[in-house]
Amino acid sequence: QKEVEQDPGPLSVPEGAIVSLNCTYSNSAFQYFMWYRQYSRKGPELLMYTYSSGNKEDGRFTAQVDKSSKYISLFIRDSQPSDSATYLCAMSGQGNKLVFGAGTILRVKS
Amino acid sequence: DGGITQSPKYLFRKEGQNVTLSCEQNLNHDAMYWYRQDPGQGLRLIYYSQIVNDFQKGDIAEGYSVSREKKESFPLTVTSAQKNPTAFYLCASSTLDSNQPQHFGDGTRLSIL
Repeated sequence: QKEVEQDPGPLSVPEGAIVSLNCTYSNSAFQYFMWYRQYSRKGPELLMYTYSSGNKEDGRFTAQVDKSSKYISLFIRDSQPSDSATYLCAMSGQGNKLVFGAGTILRVKS
Repeated sequence: DGGITQSPKYLFRKEGQNVTLSCEQNLNHDAMYWYRQDPGQGLRLIYYSQIVNDFQKGDIAEGYSVSREKKESFPLTVTSAQKNPTAFYLCASSTLDSNQPQHFGDGTRLSIL
């Protein structure tokens, strides 16, 4: 079993839809949780960063962490064609080593 | 503008050849990392360094080598011993604080001729 599981998609939604992206993990030592967005042929760009359980909102994006269920989510409201990208979840415990999910490909159709 | 610069953007390797990928950062970060990205597999850690003249193997170090002679620079050499080098290579950097995320360059795509 992988330490971090992420549905690879692709996930295809109409413009304006609410998107839910999810990751599960097995290592209870993880306490820092990140979501990166990666456009084609580009490096990952940090979208959201959260520590421990709870919600964090930034514009149309909300990151949610449930440590009891070992489950994290990224919600995108009012999705736009420019949101079409691969979304990577990543997490770490003490120290700087990140463990990444495989990435979910999102396509927002106009 | 602070950031991470990877070069070249595209690189081709002949059989039996070593090639070196460049990574430079001006963020004053102590830690630097090299990842390999293959379709459907996410990012896998090759090597990382937390201080000049010191580095550690990641999960897939075989066939790769690195150096860290300057804080700003962390080049990766893909040696002829790496039998499946075709991939997208990403360099990242961060501070040493556990609560700080990594920031990435825009990658180098390596292909075999």
